[in-house]
Amino acid sequence: QLQLVQSGAEVKKPGASVKVSCKASGYTFTTYYIHWVRQAPGQGPDWMGIINPSGGNTVYAPKFQGRIIMTRDTSTSTVYMELSRLRSDDTAFYYCARDRGVYYDLWGQGTLVTVSS
Amino acid sequence: QSALTQPASVSGSPGQSITISCTGTSSDVGGYNYVSWYQHHPGKAPKLLIYDVSHRPSGISNRFSGSKSANTASLTISGLQAGDEADYFCSSYANTSTIIVFGGGTKLTVL
Repeated sequence: QLQLVQSGAEVKKPGASVKVSCKASGYTFTTYYIHWVRQAPGQGPDWMGIINPSGGNTVYAPKFQGRIIMTRDTSTSTVYMELSRLRSDDTAFYYCARDRGVYYDLWGQGTLVTVSS
Repeated sequence: QSALTQPASVSGSPGQSITISCTGTSSDVGGYNYVSWYQHHPGKAPKLLIYDVSHRPSGISNRFSGSKSANTASLTISGLQAGDEADYFCSSYANTSTIIVFGGGTKLTVL
């Protein structure tokens, strides 16, 4: 079945790190880039970055540079997004999405990350 | 503050048509035919409705259509149905260090 399945909700304290996973199935994992997008409550989506599952190369949005790491495991068809030095304004739904050029034809179900002391 | 500007809300009655606008700049919406639209029911994965300004993916109703004029793209939903009640957001390729930009989203209410 064609899908991206993400890991479950997380609650973290300020200053901590979170690692969200996104497992692909139903297609050849290395064929399509994966983007990460987040959406804070009441706000529009925010592009975080992109990973090439084939080579592992990444491009990150400037606002997350230095705090974000995207990786992949081709043996399990899974990509990971780790965000460090969490702040309260990092509270958001985090989505992985399959790239088809400049649009996304497949999204994960979203992972709620709550940052609270 | 989202890079692309959408109205916060729109509403319409069943059977009517509505249009949602998405305004950017010449560095994104106006410069490229790479605008896409998504429907998002809270708690579910967003769904692609339109890509490359006006193309519908397989399986998307022809009640959904997209267009663009200068720096503003538009999504039109005709023959409104109760199930269309959702959030809608646009995105565009951007010739900046932030490769993809999004609108702030529009909540559609079917009266």
